[in-house]
Parts: sequence; structure tokens; C-alpha cells
Amino acid sequence: NAGVTQTPKFRILKIGQSMTLQCTQDMNHNYMYWYRQDPGMGLKLIYYSVGAGITDKGEVPNGYNVSRSTTEDFPLRLELAAPSQTSVYFCASSYNSLNQPQHFGDGTRLSIL
Amino acid sequence: AQTVTQSQPEMSVQEAETVTLSCTYDTSESNYYLFWYKQPPSRQMILVIRQEAYKQQNATENRFSVNFQKAAKSFSLKISDSQLGDTAMYFCAHPVLRKGAQKLVFGQGTRLTINP
Repeated sequence: NAGVTQTPKFRILKIGQSMTLQCTQDMNHNYMYWYRQDPGMGLKLIYYSVGAGITDKGEVPNGYNVSRSTTEDFPLRLELAAPSQTSVYFCASSYNSLNQPQHFGDGTRLSIL
Repeated sequence: AQTVTQSQPEMSVQEAETVTLSCTYDTSESNYYLFWYKQPPSRQMILVIRQEAYKQQNATENRFSVNFQKAAKSFSLKISDSQLGDTAMYFCAHPVLRKGAQKLVFGQGTRLTINP
């Protein structure tokens, strides 16, 4: 099993550009999450999904959008990139919600210049 | 508000020594888990160990063990016989259940360096 796969691994954007960070998992997990990790900090939740067609905001959702059309895929979209969105982005999934460990992708390092 | 606090930004020990990383948390829930994640320079987030709050016995995974003090809301990680490969950022995390989904609240992290 590949687990949680994120693409791309690195990306540089100009201010105002848009892009989609891809995330897919092959573990048939219902729950998926997007986090951002700023330098020297822990992870903060951006958006999460409890199943296909259902998404909800996390702690820091502003400037992002998500969709969940299938169980496997949970893309994160940045519409108008800003320097404050320079960060490392992690996608994660879990089988169910209650106290199950989350499995993380390898992260996407995004720089906005 | 649910918070997780790691009071040691950096720690450094010699190989083969034992090191303890501290974590305190705040919660209003009665039944919950706690996690320690390791993030090596490769950037992966790797689950090290988890503790069930309703279990009095401290969790152990090989060289990793926890000291869980529920009343004090303390969850420290002990690494015995430390190895060079243990060099990493370590994050304590507490899941918060909201709207049917678990959200992990992370501490600020402790950067651990194992010196040869």
C-alpha cells in the first residue's frame, strides 16, 4: 500500500497565483485532513472531511478551499496565493475518527514569492 | 480551549543516554487518547506511541515509554538507550472530537538531538 500520497513535494508560486495540492489515500479511510506547519511550529488544521461530499473548516481555513468527491482524494486549493501561505502542508487520513492515529503524507513545501 | 504545551524547545543528549520529553495538555473530555509523533529531517510524521486515558498502565513501545499522569494532565515521553536515528522533532498531540471528527491539537514541538 502507498498510504497517503501528496503531490507535488515542492512548489514555488508567485503572489496571486492559484494552485491545487493533491492528496490521495489507498487505505479506504473515511476521514481526511489538511494541516499546515509553519517553521518551528506544530501542525494546524486547515480543513477536514468525514467522508465523500462532506467537508468542514479547521483552525486556519482562510485562503483555502477543499472538495471531497471520492473517498480516496482530498485536494486543497489556494485561490490567491499570499506570502503568509508559505508553509509545509500535510495531508492525513484515519480509518474512523475516534482516537485512531492519523497517517500522514510526506508533505508539500510551498513557497509564495 | 484545548491546548497542548511542550515546554522544552530543544534538548540534546549523548547516544545511549535516556531522555524525557515533557508535555502537558488541557481537556474537558473524560475519555481520550494522547499521541507522540516524531518528525525526522525527512519531514515525515511518524506515530511513536499512544496512550489511552482510561488505562492506568503506561504505554510502552520498545525503547519508548510514557509517563502518563492523568490528574496532572501530563504526558511525558521517555526514550531509553537513545540512538542517532532518534534525532528529530517530537510532537505531543491530543485529539479533540468535534462534529463527529477527531482533530489533532499539536504542541509546539521539542527538537531532540542525539550526539555521537
